[in-house]
Amino acid sequence: EPEVTQTPSHQVTQMGQEVILRCVPISNHLYFYWYRQILGQKVEFLVSFYNNEISEKSEIFDDQFSVERPDGSNFTLKIRSTKLEDSAMYFCASTTAGSGNEQFFGPGTRLTVL
Amino acid sequence: GESVGLHLPTLSVQEGDNSIINCAYSNSASDYFIWYKQESGKGPQFIIDIRSNMDKRQGQRVTVLLNKTVKHLSLQIAATQPGDSAVYFCAERGGSNYKLTFGKGTLLTVNP
Repeated sequence: EPEVTQTPSHQVTQMGQEVILRCVPISNHLYFYWYRQILGQKVEFLVSFYNNEISEKSEIFDDQFSVERPDGSNFTLKIRSTKLEDSAMYFCASTTAGSGNEQFFGPGTRLTVL
Repeated sequence: GESVGLHLPTLSVQEGDNSIINCAYSNSASDYFIWYKQESGKGPQFIIDIRSNMDKRQGQRVTVLLNKTVKHLSLQIAATQPGDSAVYFCAERGGSNYKLTFGKGTLLTVNP
């Protein structure tokens, strides 16, 4: 069964450093998402990406965040200057077009900012 | 603002019992409601969804009920097994980008 993959599984960084979280969505999917989950809290929407551009973003997704789909398979989330409060699990998800289709989530990247 | 929330943060049941997890939502415009299961250290896993024009949908051992009058969603798990132990999130989906808005989660613990 196809699945969403994410790398790395755990990223430790110093405050102020840039990090790039990587995702490979399911190959025939067209909508891509990043969500984050602070420890013990609910999953929060960050950004959606469709047709090679951001289609929607949340208030969390400020100027420090960016997303890219540099080729036909990878989907990345960059945080330019990490803050302590960016420590969380970051999940990538993807779905096909159409309102009835489920979003498939990757296993997540645990980001720890020291 | 609009939100999706859960009545119970934890639920402990005996193996073989039926489990019911509840969720309240406030956005009447959502077109789908979904239940996800999240095991420790893993991403959310789709369980079942229900379209807003339905009131009940059944899957394998799971049933989702939607009461639009009181904006309430529930997940019923029949014959709960230890492998069902996880955090369960309800989520609503709306808008042209199909983004999900999650509730806070209920921790289900199944005792053998």
